[in-house]
Amino acid sequence: QSALTQPPSASGSPGQSVTISCTGTSSDVGGYNYVSWYQQHPGKAPKLIIYEVTKRPSGVPDRFSGSKSGNTASLTVSGLQAEDEADYYCSSNAGSNHLVFGGGTKLTVL
Amino acid sequence: VQLVESGGALVQRGGSLRLSCAVSGFTFSTYSFFWVRQAPGKGLEWVSYISPSAERTYYADSVKGRFTVSRDNVKNSVYLQMNSLRDEDTAVYYCARIPGSWTTDYWGPGTLVTVSS
Repeated sequence: QSALTQPPSASGSPGQSVTISCTGTSSDVGGYNYVSWYQQHPGKAPKLIIYEVTKRPSGVPDRFSGSKSGNTASLTVSGLQAEDEADYYCSSNAGSNHLVFGGGTKLTVL
Repeated sequence: VQLVESGGALVQRGGSLRLSCAVSGFTFSTYSFFWVRQAPGKGLEWVSYISPSAERTYYADSVKGRFTVSRDNVKNSVYLQMNSLRDEDTAVYYCARIPGSWTTDYWGPGTLVTVSS
């Protein structure tokens, strides 16, 4: 299973919106509604922010939203705040009882 | 809810190491777990899965045949036995709880494994 494809970097100014894509295949992203997104600050463990494509865990601000079209999932961060600066990873069930992650996107708040 | 990994160390190439993940704050025996690793400065890589009663275990192709996941539902712990270690196994290893749907909700802080000749 190959890693899902994410842009290496993304950026936006405070208050703006930014969207990060996660492209896979019909065997992973396109085949299941089991896409998750994680936020990771330096030196910390990843934190779940989106699961099952669109769902937000309790405590995650509604500024974070997820969607999917075909083999590409997307994470949108609206109303960017300084604390949103972090690395973001997508993951998906990849069939054959495997999980696959994206390569990660470094989000910079300008 | 708390997960704490331990057992990381500097180990020689070809050597073995056993990682532990001690959990508390929830009913351990009803949850599945992942092991996920992150090489220095790199992204996340899924390593392994274990079901609540350990009847199902799955592995990434990169570790299959070398790593073995297990659990002790009395000691509330998950383990990762790593054999024939390679340089590319150098990483921080995380255990993570799976509430369902191939996602995770709680992660430990990780433990560092360094493989060197």
